[in-house]
Amino acid sequence: NAGVTQTPKFQVLKTGQSMTLQCAQDMNHEYMSWYRQDPGMGLRLIHYSVGAGITDQGEVPNGYNVSRSTTEDFPLRLLSAAPSQTSVYFCASSSRQGLMNTEAFFGQGTRLTVV
Amino acid sequence: AQSVTQPDIHITVSEGASLELRCNYSYGATPYLFWYVQSPGQGLQLLLKYFSGDTLVQGIKGFEAEFKRSQSSFNLRKPSVHWSDAAEYFCAVGAAYNFNKFYFGSGTKLNVKP
Repeated sequence: NAGVTQTPKFQVLKTGQSMTLQCAQDMNHEYMSWYRQDPGMGLRLIHYSVGAGITDQGEVPNGYNVSRSTTEDFPLRLLSAAPSQTSVYFCASSSRQGLMNTEAFFGQGTRLTVV
Repeated sequence: AQSVTQPDIHITVSEGASLELRCNYSYGATPYLFWYVQSPGQGLQLLLKYFSGDTLVQGIKGFEAEFKRSQSSFNLRKPSVHWSDAAEYFCAVGAAYNFNKFYFGSGTKLNVKP
């Protein structure tokens, strides 16, 4: 199994540009989420989804949009990139099927630089 | 409010020495606790997790952690550190019945001296 796949791995954007970070999982997990990682701040939750068609905001949602049209995919859209969005972005998925199996599986990350 | 505190930003230990990484959490409900490790340029890998039962949990790579409810702590330990353990370690807390929202500490970078 591939697990959680994120594309691209690296991206440079100019201020004001828009782009979509892709995330796909092949584990049939109900839950998917996006985090950003900044030095000294750990991972902060941007948006999350508990199933297809259902999304909600996390701690730092401003400037980002998400949608969940399928179980497998959870893209993150930057509407108008700003230098403050320079970060490493991680997508994660998890399942409630079996409490003891609960954990978040993470992708390899997308390193985004906004100039 | 939910939060996770990792008070040590950097730790350096000699290879073969013991290790303890601290984690304190604040959570209003029954916490589910996790430790993840991140090697440079990589994603996060789960080391271990605690849901209930025995408060001492064993993980991969020889790591263990002890849940102490009275101290709101979930410290990670390893008896003998290997050079390959050099990485960044994150403690996280998640909610019972909400398997989607995890709150992470700011991380502890471990350096291992030869």
